[in-house]
Amino acid sequence: SQTIHQWPATLVQPVGSPLSLECTVEGTSNPNLYWYRQAAGRGLQLLFYSIGIDQISSEVPQNLSASRPQDRQFILSSKKLLLSDSGFYLCAWSARGGISSYNSPLHFGNGTRLTVT
Amino acid sequence: DAKTTQPPSMDCAEGRAANLPCNHSTISGNEYVYWYRQIHSQGPQYIIHGLKNNETNEMASLIITEDRKSSTLILPHATLRDTAVYYCIVIHPRGNTGKLIFGQGTTLQVKP
Repeated sequence: SQTIHQWPATLVQPVGSPLSLECTVEGTSNPNLYWYRQAAGRGLQLLFYSIGIDQISSEVPQNLSASRPQDRQFILSSKKLLLSDSGFYLCAWSARGGISSYNSPLHFGNGTRLTVT
Repeated sequence: DAKTTQPPSMDCAEGRAANLPCNHSTISGNEYVYWYRQIHSQGPQYIIHGLKNNETNEMASLIITEDRKSSTLILPHATLRDTAVYYCIVIHPRGNTGKLIFGQGTTLQVKP
């Protein structure tokens, strides 16, 4: 069965410090991968999605970047954190396969709660 | 992608059916309706999805109106663990991205 791992679960970082959040998926190949952010009391905001290694699309211009060095590894980074980067960060995957992938749901990790102080 | 409208909150008595509505009046013919839920401090969990026919799985039933402009998620016997934010999402098979746009959802409070 497929599993998604996301770490760390919680993180407190000072303003201006770097960030690296990692997500890995097991039990599937060539997944679509996603990073979402959820600010307190708000809905989910798509940040990045990737359909393959080094193929990443950014949905919202911001202080963050994403990389996919391996097929099942997705990394969210920042060189200098801002207070506004605080939030709940979620990694997700879905099966690929062209239009048929739309009959495949997103599967989310348990998230990283980031507090920038 | 079609926009969805959900009530911000609902209450349900434990053991009773919870019926969560969703309006998607601008849905197009090949867009799917998906339902997810998010329990506090956890990642969203997939519940069910459908295109035009009603669907049922071990978690819930999805009723889609004939004109597909609205749908209802039914939790047949709600428990306290079903307290969560429920998201109704409509997606279009465009390209190969599969990205979803989550709105504010419905906060379901199951009460004893």
